[in-house]
Amino acid sequence: NAGVTQTPKFRVLKTGQSMTLLCAQDMNHEYMYWYRQDPGMGLRLIHYSVGEGTTAKGEVPDGYNVSRLKKQNFLLGLESAAPSQTSVYFCASREGGFEEQYFGPGTRLTVT
Amino acid sequence: KQEVTQIPAALSVPEGENLVLNCSFTDSAIYNLQWFRQDPGKGLTSLLLIQSSQREQTSGRLNASLDKSSGRSTLYIAASQPGDSATYLCAVAGSNYKLTFGKGTLLTVNP
Repeated sequence: NAGVTQTPKFRVLKTGQSMTLLCAQDMNHEYMYWYRQDPGMGLRLIHYSVGEGTTAKGEVPDGYNVSRLKKQNFLLGLESAAPSQTSVYFCASREGGFEEQYFGPGTRLTVT
Repeated sequence: KQEVTQIPAALSVPEGENLVLNCSFTDSAIYNLQWFRQDPGKGLTSLLLIQSSQREQTSGRLNASLDKSSGRSTLYIAASQPGDSATYLCAVAGSNYKLTFGKGTLLTVNP
């Protein structure tokens, strides 16, 4: 069981470039989440999904899009990266709405 | 809107000491509360999950309590070790399937 994995681990982008972060889980979890973590701000929810084919906005969704075409994968896209999107991004999943939540190792993104 | 506060923001203790980390939340209508540990540059590792109907959960040297009516939880660490040094976060689950996180307590255990 790999749990929750994230690709890539590190990335540097120039302003205006686009990229996709991949989250994969092998626990057959229904719920998946994308967070960003910034110093002094804590963890903030970007988007989440309550099942295959569904997505919903979280606390800070602007500038990001997501897709959940397969149950095990949750993709986070940045269409036109901005320096304000420099952050550490974490993916998480859980089996049910109120079960234990498991996190991936994170992706450190720098936008110059 | 749910708000989660963790006090203190940082704590430094000598090895072997018992310690308590605090978490408070403003809306008592929660389904559960989860404590996590985060090591520098790493993801979050789940330590304990307390359902709203429970008063406490134990795992090894860790004991978490929950007082839903007063909006408080504590994480008790017995006989602390240098390997316990990390940031500890609490998070509460509301009716919208989302977790609200505190900003964490940075714990340093000195040998």
